[in-house]
Amino acid sequence: DSGVTQTPKHLITATGQRVTLRCSPRSGDLSVYWYQQSLDQGLQFLIQYYNGEERAKGNILERFSAQQFPDLHSELNLSSLELGDSALYFCASSVEDRDYNEQFFGPGTRLTVL
Amino acid sequence: AQSVTQPDIHITVSEGASLELRCNYSYGATPYLFWYVQSPGQGLQLLLKYFSGDTLVQGIKGFEAEFKRSQSSFNLRKPSVHWSDAAEYFCAVGAYFGNEKLTFGTGTRLTIIP
Repeated sequence: DSGVTQTPKHLITATGQRVTLRCSPRSGDLSVYWYQQSLDQGLQFLIQYYNGEERAKGNILERFSAQQFPDLHSELNLSSLELGDSALYFCASSVEDRDYNEQFFGPGTRLTVL
Repeated sequence: AQSVTQPDIHITVSEGASLELRCNYSYGATPYLFWYVQSPGQGLQLLLKYFSGDTLVQGIKGFEAEFKRSQSSFNLRKPSVHWSDAAEYFCAVGAYFGNEKLTFGTGTRLTIIP
């Protein structure tokens, strides 16, 4: 158990819908990262927040957005969902915002878009 | 931008045999290098990491990896695999600074046969 929690574990929805994925980092970790794992794209970095502020952006679509709240939990919002958005979405956390701080990964949320 | 290549999609090894998983990276400076393992239905767990110093790094579960700058490689090894090592293994590279965080390879699926 990494100490990072993600809810829900599974999510099934239809095209065009909007969903919210939730992540609670390890106690004391200020940085949260979101990754998408799909069969065709592999594991890709989406976005990072550090202590409530956006710190870095990767291959995140404009239909996707995220935020980190004062209690440091983070939400990833996916809207106008398409079939290709079906994937496993991971959240990771680290103490600081540098790469050489180990990132601890949650178990993921599996999103299925029908 | 950095990139990671894991040339072996799937490897099958007999229990008790030695293992080597290949990883080649592309990065303009000295990279941060990581190996993660993903068991079915689980998140990613860090096996080991290289930042600087000794090019042979020891990790958890009896794994080690060797950084070879001249070959741009960071291969993962284990002298004797156990059935519980069956999983997907990801090599990743991290940047010191910039907008890209961990960049992952496509993964190598390891199957262990009795």
